[in-house]
Amino acid sequence: QVQLQESGPQLVNPSETLSLTCTVSGGSVSSDGYYWSWIRQPPGKGLEWIGFIYYTRNTEYNPSLKSRVTISIDTSKNLFSLKLASVTAADTAVYYCARVTTNWASGLDYWGQGTLVTVSS
Amino acid sequence: QSALTQPASVSGSPGQSITISCTGSSSDIGSYNLVSWYQQHPGKAPKVIIYEVTKRPSGISNRFSGSKSGSTASLTISGLQAEDEADYYCCSYTGTSTLIFGGGTKLTVL
Repeated sequence: QVQLQESGPQLVNPSETLSLTCTVSGGSVSSDGYYWSWIRQPPGKGLEWIGFIYYTRNTEYNPSLKSRVTISIDTSKNLFSLKLASVTAADTAVYYCARVTTNWASGLDYWGQGTLVTVSS
Repeated sequence: QSALTQPASVSGSPGQSITISCTGSSSDIGSYNLVSWYQQHPGKAPKVIIYEVTKRPSGISNRFSGSKSGSTASLTISGLQAEDEADYYCCSYTGTSTLIFGGGTKLTVL
């Protein structure tokens, strides 16, 4: 059973960089056939797809966030990471990591529990 | 890239059926059979209940069904149960290796 777990600071100052890690167990981020994704959900609001990474380090990002987002992968540690630069209060959200097959057919089939990140001074 | 359009809320009584619509465009739902639906209970992560428009993951009740017509996808829940009360989100592939979600629908079981 694949499990994903987000970790990182719960409080970030405005204008700084948000950094989160998603550790994968029960599966490998090096597996051919899966994209590893980040999704966020502001309090009381809907889901927003942030982007994904493949084990080859290929990435795709939501156009609305592309200028501020970097997703990376560490196959030796079986994890992938999110960096979001120049954050504001609007970036306060629960951040989830999740998996989707490369043919996009499976939907986001495994999710982490999510971690709330608050942007405030 | 605007969010897919869902009704903000729907309601139904136990045993009844409800349908949640999800309207996109020819760039997403209209072009790909890659629509998925997620159920989210308060404080929990979303869970996929429908993928590829009509397919159910193992363990998901057959009371949940999906369909699509043109650029609109739909989720139907039959035989409503109290445990179905949750938020529901649709999601579609967009053809540029990106995903887009709907705004979410709150289901109330009366």
